Amino acid sequence: VQMTQSPSYLAASPGESVSISCKASKSISNNLAWYQEKPGKANKLLIHSGSTLQSGTPSRFSGSGSGTDFTLTIRSLESEDFAVYYCQQYNEYPLTFGSGTKLEIK
Amino acid sequence: QVQLKESGPGLVQPSETLSLTCTVSGFSLTSYSVSWVRQPSGKGPEWMGRMWYDGDTAYNSALKSRLSISRDTSKNQVFLKMNSLQTDDTGTYYCTRDRGRGYNSRYYFDYWGQGVMVTVSS
Repeated sequence: VQMTQSPSYLAASPGESVSISCKASKSISNNLAWYQEKPGKANKLLIHSGSTLQSGTPSRFSGSGSGTDFTLTIRSLESEDFAVYYCQQYNEYPLTFGSGTKLEIK
Repeated sequence: QVQLKESGPGLVQPSETLSLTCTVSGFSLTSYSVSWVRQPSGKGPEWMGRMWYDGDTAYNSALKSRLSISRDTSKNQVFLKMNSLQTDDTGTYYCTRDRGRGYNSRYYFDYWGQGVMVTVSS
């Protein structure tokens, strides 16, 4: 299953809201996770099952979608949110990831 | 506290074999599965394979002919061996703890190690 993420790059200011899209090449039900990557830190699971926040994920993060189209939304950006985000499907083997979205401060 | 730590050589010669170790703490390898994921610089991650909690394995078909994953539960370690390395195998290699239900593909990664950078070069 190919995962297409967009945009690959996003610039925003603290306090703004942003959305990242992830499209699967075939239906994956809601078997989708979102991860955050920051330099020097272990990758962090943010959301699984399309929209379920992992324990410890701030409520300003939300996930939506099912089937082939998914969205990660971050409301009221904080400085710690500027990072790279990846989607990943786990509906079928091989498990596959999107190519990432780099969120930078405008 | 769940922790995973990868270790291994930073530099591997082309055509040689890569050997990596993932040492885990805070959970049991007989209760949780562990995957290996790699990421070339500037690209998205790639799932390589999984060591199931019962000792069975699952591999990415694209790598299966070169890849072997094993474990030593007494040492809380999972091992990766991949042969015939080429320059496009250069990247950061991670181990992850897997979370899901049943005995199928439907597991995501709830904890990651910090990764180990591997360069394939002569």
